[in-house]
Amino acid sequence: EVQLVESGGGLVQPGGSLRLSCAASGFTFNSYAMNWVRQAPGKGLEWVSSISGGRGSTYYADSVKGRFTISRDNFKNTLSLQMNSLRAEDTAVYYCAKDRYSSGWPPFDCWGQGTLVTVSS
Amino acid sequence: VLTQPPSVSVAPGQTARITCGGNNIGSKSVHWYQQKPGQAPAMGIYYDSDRPSGIPERFSGSNSGNTATLTISRVEAGDEADYYCQVWDSSSDHWVFGGGTKLTVL
Repeated sequence: EVQLVESGGGLVQPGGSLRLSCAASGFTFNSYAMNWVRQAPGKGLEWVSSISGGRGSTYYADSVKGRFTISRDNFKNTLSLQMNSLRAEDTAVYYCAKDRYSSGWPPFDCWGQGTLVTVSS
Repeated sequence: VLTQPPSVSVAPGQTARITCGGNNIGSKSVHWYQQKPGQAPAMGIYYDSDRPSGIPERFSGSNSGNTATLTISRVEAGDEADYYCQVWDSSSDHWVFGGGTKLTVL
């Protein structure tokens, strides 16, 4: 069974940093692109970042580029999101999600339960 | 930018159509997600019209021109949820989500 479990969320002051992790199991982790998607309270889904399998090419939403860094550890089957210079507008539930297929631009077929990040003084 | 109506309301047993508008979206592959209150999103119709196992045949999708459509036939109370469309924008190397549509079953 495919499982994604996020951790690392919490309360952080504006300008602070936080590192999110997503523990993956039940599939060949290094073969699939992985993604972070966030959802501000009462709002819609916003794509944050993606990282391909294999070479680990990275992609970022304009809103987080230069502040967030996505990475993966294919030995530990873990996806990470390092978030720096956090702003109030980064407050959201952050989901990690797995690509359905190992190539192309497939849908996200498995999502974690999410971890809440609150940026506030 | 993907444009979805904020809300769609339909009586049980009727057909709900949720649109996703975008410039020449018909040339892209559209994926749909369902999100029920307090839950993570779940994959629905993908690649415009493919239906994964576990999704009822009442759910279907189409995509042409500037509009993709998720159609839910014989709507049930359990279909009440938020629905999001998604595409990959190759010009910017970004995933894009629509703003979401809240489906209310009257």
